[in-house]
Amino acid sequence: EAQVTQNPRYLITVTGKKLTVTCSQNMNHEYMSWYRQDPGLGLRQIYYSMNVEVTDKGDVPEGYKVSRKEKRNFPLILESPSPNQTSLYFCASSLLGQGLYEQYFGPGTRLTVT
Amino acid sequence: DQQVKQNSPSLSVQEGRISILNCDYTNSMFDYFLWYKKYPAEGPTFLISISSIKDKNEDGRFTVFLNKSAKHLSLHIVPSQPGDSAVYFCAASRGSGNTGKLIFGQGTTLQVKP
Repeated sequence: EAQVTQNPRYLITVTGKKLTVTCSQNMNHEYMSWYRQDPGLGLRQIYYSMNVEVTDKGDVPEGYKVSRKEKRNFPLILESPSPNQTSLYFCASSLLGQGLYEQYFGPGTRLTVT
Repeated sequence: DQQVKQNSPSLSVQEGRISILNCDYTNSMFDYFLWYKKYPAEGPTFLISISSIKDKNEDGRFTVFLNKSAKHLSLHIVPSQPGDSAVYFCAASRGSGNTGKLIFGQGTTLQVKP
């Protein structure tokens, strides 16, 4: 089954404790992206990657890191989480070009930073 | 600065009637527009899209209209069904699919009453 998986689905942590949210896709997609969803703000892009070792900032990259060492994986790293990073996070993937628009989203990771 | 705006946080319609969801944008460089649907506890799923060279795109019960002069697009669902109850996000992109960036609106929650 074609899918994007994220782990963990739920995470409660404390300020300053480094964490990683994993994202994996099995569709051989070149493009992967991370979004956060906050009430009243919709989905905002954090980082994206057009291919292995190619990453770029989205609209809200501050406080986040990513890496793309393999095509299928695109982990999101919070080196020192803060309460304002409490949010619902989505990973997405797609083909490049016209297929970029039909992004496949993972189920989401709800992160709470206390 | 919210480049893509959905000014109605919620919409309630009766089953069988038409649902009209609206979206406004400010950046005239956007050349591709999309609608995504999101159910609770799931990631968004692609619904329908339209290129800026068109003013209408239809897919079954779903039709998207684009008015470039007004920088406005709308999604029509006819007839509406209870299973259409979800959050709908509009999104915009520029650069013919290779810029990697999608800008989402805040979302509109649609409730279709039986």
